[in-house]
Amino acid sequence: QVQLVQSGDEARKTGASVKVSCKASGYTFTKYAIHWVRQAPGQRPEWIGWINADTYNTQYLQKFQGRLTFTTDTSASTVYMELSSLRSEDTATYYCARESPDCITPAFDLWGQGSLVTVSS
Amino acid sequence: QSVLTQPPSVSAAPGQKVTISCSGTYSNIGSNYVSWYQQFPGTAPKLLIYDSRRRPSGIPDRFSGSKSGTSAALAITGLQTGDEADYYCATWDYSLSAGVFGGGTKLTVL
Repeated sequence: QVQLVQSGDEARKTGASVKVSCKASGYTFTKYAIHWVRQAPGQRPEWIGWINADTYNTQYLQKFQGRLTFTTDTSASTVYMELSSLRSEDTATYYCARESPDCITPAFDLWGQGSLVTVSS
Repeated sequence: QSVLTQPPSVSAAPGQKVTISCSGTYSNIGSNYVSWYQQFPGTAPKLLIYDSRRRPSGIPDRFSGSKSGTSAALAITGLQTGDEADYYCATWDYSLSAGVFGGGTKLTVL
């Protein structure tokens, strides 16, 4: 079954870090880029970056530079997102999403179920 | 404020057609293709349209997309109550070097 399965919901204090995993199955892991999208309650989705699962190249939304890190474990077909120096405004559901292989402009054809990250003081 | 502008809500009766617009600028819609997503409460978005007018396998042809200049649109025909959801447009913005989403449109099927 083709799917992305994310780790569970997390609660953190302001200033802490969180690491969310995204495990792929049912397809060749290294053939697709994985993007990360977050969505605060009642808000639009926000693209935060992507990682090439083959080359490990990454790109982050500029406002996260220095706080956001994507890594991969190819042997486990898993991508990780780590966000540090958490702030209350980082409270959101974080999704991993596979980039469609057929698209010219990136589009996301497979999504994880989402991981809610709650940041409080 | 979203880079891509959508109407907050649209509504129509079952069986009718509705069109959701998405307005951008030259650096996003004007230079790239558009994708559309459907999202139900508490679930992940689902890809409906990519490259402005292409449908993934399994998406019924009741859903269609178009693009002209710096605007795009999603049309849904033969509306069903099960189509009630939030709909988001998305594309790439080269000036931001980032993916961007619209503010979302809530579809109500009366």
